[in-house]
Amino acid sequence: DGGITQSPKYLFRKEGQNVTLSCEQNLNHDAMYWYRQDPGQGLRLIYYSQIVNDFQKGDIAEGYSVSREKKESFPLTVTSAQKNPTAFYLCASSIDLRGSEQYFGPGTRLTVT
Amino acid sequence: GDSVTQMEGPVTLSEEAFLTINCTYTATGYPSLFWYVQYPGEGLQLLLKATKADDKGSNKGFEATYRKETTSFHLEKGSVQVSDSAVYFCALSPSMEYGNKLVFGAGTILRVKS
Repeated sequence: DGGITQSPKYLFRKEGQNVTLSCEQNLNHDAMYWYRQDPGQGLRLIYYSQIVNDFQKGDIAEGYSVSREKKESFPLTVTSAQKNPTAFYLCASSIDLRGSEQYFGPGTRLTVT
Repeated sequence: GDSVTQMEGPVTLSEEAFLTINCTYTATGYPSLFWYVQYPGEGLQLLLKATKADDKGSNKGFEATYRKETTSFHLEKGSVQVSDSAVYFCALSPSMEYGNKLVFGAGTILRVKS
């Protein structure tokens, strides 16, 4: 089955620690995205990548970093510089950035205490 | 800038009632429009889409028509079921130019009672 996987589903960390969220897709899509979702709010774009070894900041990139070494993988690191890291993180992919629909993974709920 | 505005929820309906969730947008050019659905604890699933004015997207009994004159893309369903309880997001992709990304509304919670 083609799709997007995110792991783990729940993640707990202590304040001050960096943490990396995994996102893998086997849809052969060029573009990948990371969103943050907070209760009662819509999705906000953190980073996106349209091709391997290239990525761009979204609307709320501060305190986050990404890499795109393989087409299938787009991991997100939440650094200790992110002031409010507790949230639901969603990864998505699309064929490209030309207005095509995005396909979402199941999400990772990160709790930092 | 580009934006999407949805009606505030939660929307609470009885089973078999008619559903409308309003969505209006602001965008330059000719955006594509989408409705996504999110069930509790899960990611988003594409429900339907429309790529040009007067297009009607439909799926699983849900429909939405791209109205350029009113800049709207309201979601409708004739008879809701308890299983339709979820959060619904309206979104737009600003234009067909390469490099554009989805802009989401805040989401509308739908609760259907049996």
